Amino acid sequence: DQQVKQNSPSLSVQEGRISILNCDYTNSMFDYFLWYKKYPAEGPTFLISISSIKDKNEDGRFTVFLNKSAKHLSLHIVPSQPGDSAVYFCAASASEAGSYQLTFGKGTKLSVIP
Amino acid sequence: KAGVTQTPRYLIKTRGQQVTLSCSPISGHRSVSWYQQTPGQGLQFLFEYFSETQRNKGNFPGRFSGRQFSNSRSEMNVSTLELGDSALYLCASSLGTGSYGYTFGSGTRLTVV
Repeated sequence: DQQVKQNSPSLSVQEGRISILNCDYTNSMFDYFLWYKKYPAEGPTFLISISSIKDKNEDGRFTVFLNKSAKHLSLHIVPSQPGDSAVYFCAASASEAGSYQLTFGKGTKLSVIP
Repeated sequence: KAGVTQTPRYLIKTRGQQVTLSCSPISGHRSVSWYQQTPGQGLQFLFEYFSETQRNKGNFPGRFSGRQFSNSRSEMNVSTLELGDSALYLCASSLGTGSYGYTFGSGTRLTVV
């Protein structure tokens, strides 16, 4: 049972345009969400996160939106750059006492075309 | 500051053998988590250690075990290796208290033949 789903395995976007990566979750206990970026042969790198008490968090070119009622979050990258080409993972956590386990989606491979 | 260091980077083992992977966290980080990444299943949580105690465990068989030392370094062990254990094993460290600021290492690529 996949609790975090990234339904698009891949996405291609022109340089300078907006990239929108989507993520859905099923576990109502999740209250903290993160996005990671991963290049081949490297570990995931933290990008941005959002707590369930917010619906938007922004950091430079990256914005994460959370729709709790729909159990949906999205990552917007504006403008997209060729260096953004990587696999993006959505992750979620339930902050019950002592639980810092992250549940990941299977990733979306973003290709930014120059 | 130095990042999360995982050794070795690559490993080839035979079915039935056992393997030990090592992870050195960022200085000051007391939590170490382990994840398995495979093409079909994505990143799956194995276990998390904080101050030498296992706090969380994922849904993996008992062949997968780990430990954490007093200096926060961690090791994971897989016994009686199966072909399906071939994967990238990632370690992540964090402060561990109220923080989700996980930093991942580059991983150990394990191939079981």
